[in-house]
Amino acid sequence: GAVVSQHPSRVICKSGTSVKIECRSLDFQATTMFWYRQFPKQSLMLMATSNEGSKATYEQGVEKDKFLINHASLTLSTLTVTSAHPEDSSFYICSASYAVGQLPPYNSPLHFGNGTRLTVT
Amino acid sequence: DQQVKQNSPSLSVQEGRISILNCDYTNSMFDYFLWYKKYPAEGPTFLISISSIKDKNEDGRFTVFLNKSAKHLSLHIVPSQPGDSAVYFCAASVQEGSGNTPLVFGKGTRLSVIA
Repeated sequence: GAVVSQHPSRVICKSGTSVKIECRSLDFQATTMFWYRQFPKQSLMLMATSNEGSKATYEQGVEKDKFLINHASLTLSTLTVTSAHPEDSSFYICSASYAVGQLPPYNSPLHFGNGTRLTVT
Repeated sequence: DQQVKQNSPSLSVQEGRISILNCDYTNSMFDYFLWYKKYPAEGPTFLISISSIKDKNEDGRFTVFLNKSAKHLSLHIVPSQPGDSAVYFCAASVQEGSGNTPLVFGKGTRLSVIA
């Protein structure tokens, strides 16, 4: 259980175009979805936290106008990289969790999608 | 400023032996810790977690130990199997209110189990 599907797995786009990445929780309702970015040999860096029906909370240094996040339902969040540039080339991973109760740890462990390798030429 | 550190980028262990992966953290507010395993071209998969009220949590071949005074945790895998070869990420968060703060990840340790 607790499967997260991320699509596409790979995308190559030209500089200046926009790319949309979808993240779906297939068998649970995700109270919160997180978008991470990973550079080679680096840790997963949190970009933003998104809750269904509200605006995403972006981490410091992440441009909200460049990385548009929409969390339209409890099972779908999208990340749109607008006006992509080569420096946006990276591995983007979404994750989701669900509430488990009123006592700690409150939320399930994060369940991750398989990631999207974005290459901007 | 890295709040979660995995100082060993790689580790090689013989099949059947114990693998010990280490993780240090600097933020004393962290009270919930997790280990994830990641294969190439896949997202991380949750392995095991531990709350700061415990110092040990065991699940099959995997045991996580937490030393709060040293701000150190470790993941023990015994016996190690070739299928355990992957990158292991340590992560931490703060349990607050009715939720947790977002996870902070270490850089990962690549474990190679040699047959």
